[in-house]
Amino acid sequence: EDQVTQSPEALRLQEGESSSLNCSYTVSGLRGLFWYRQDPGKGPEFLFTLYSAGEEKEKERLKATLTKKESFLHITAPKPEDSATYLCAVQANAGGTSYGKLTFGQGTILTVHP
Amino acid sequence: DAGVTQSPTHLIKTRGQQVTLRCSPISGHKSVSWYQQVLGQGPQFIFQYYEKEERGRGNFPDRFSARQFPNYSSELNVNALLLGDSALYLCASSPGTAQETQYFGPGTRLLVL
Repeated sequence: EDQVTQSPEALRLQEGESSSLNCSYTVSGLRGLFWYRQDPGKGPEFLFTLYSAGEEKEKERLKATLTKKESFLHITAPKPEDSATYLCAVQANAGGTSYGKLTFGQGTILTVHP
Repeated sequence: DAGVTQSPTHLIKTRGQQVTLRCSPISGHKSVSWYQQVLGQGPQFIFQYYEKEERGRGNFPDRFSARQFPNYSSELNVNALLLGDSALYLCASSPGTAQETQYFGPGTRLLVL
């Protein structure tokens, strides 16, 4: 069974204090790893898709990296508007009843104080 | 371009009732997936539909059912509601089903009393 574990569960940072969020996964053949941002009461907002170990993607203050067992979301010089829950999800190779299914972690709640 | 839309935004039902949630995908997307998100947890996969056919089903009871229409919109039905069905129900769309990003709608907040 595919599993995703995110750490820490909650992270409090001062504005400008860089840090990283971790996503550890086990999956029967990785098709893709996805990062989403979710604000309270809203649907997840897509950030990045990573497909293979060694891949990196950047967007503004965020950078996502991927290894064979985990992914990191690095946040450089965060601002209060970066406060949100960050979700990691994996998609396994097609087959059976899990086709297209995303398996999510529980999320990391990020709070950035001014 | 319009994103994924869902209706209604909020819903209150009582135990034993039935509910229908609706989703319209991004224009050009043919696949719709449904997820349930309980407070404090990540979304859990319920169904995926592609070209009006069910392509995936998560570990949910038969009280949960869905369908996709010729215009690729979708409905999720839940019968015999339980208190534990209270959650944010999310719809996501993607162009197809293979190695493609799923884009989520705002969700429907269901409260069962």
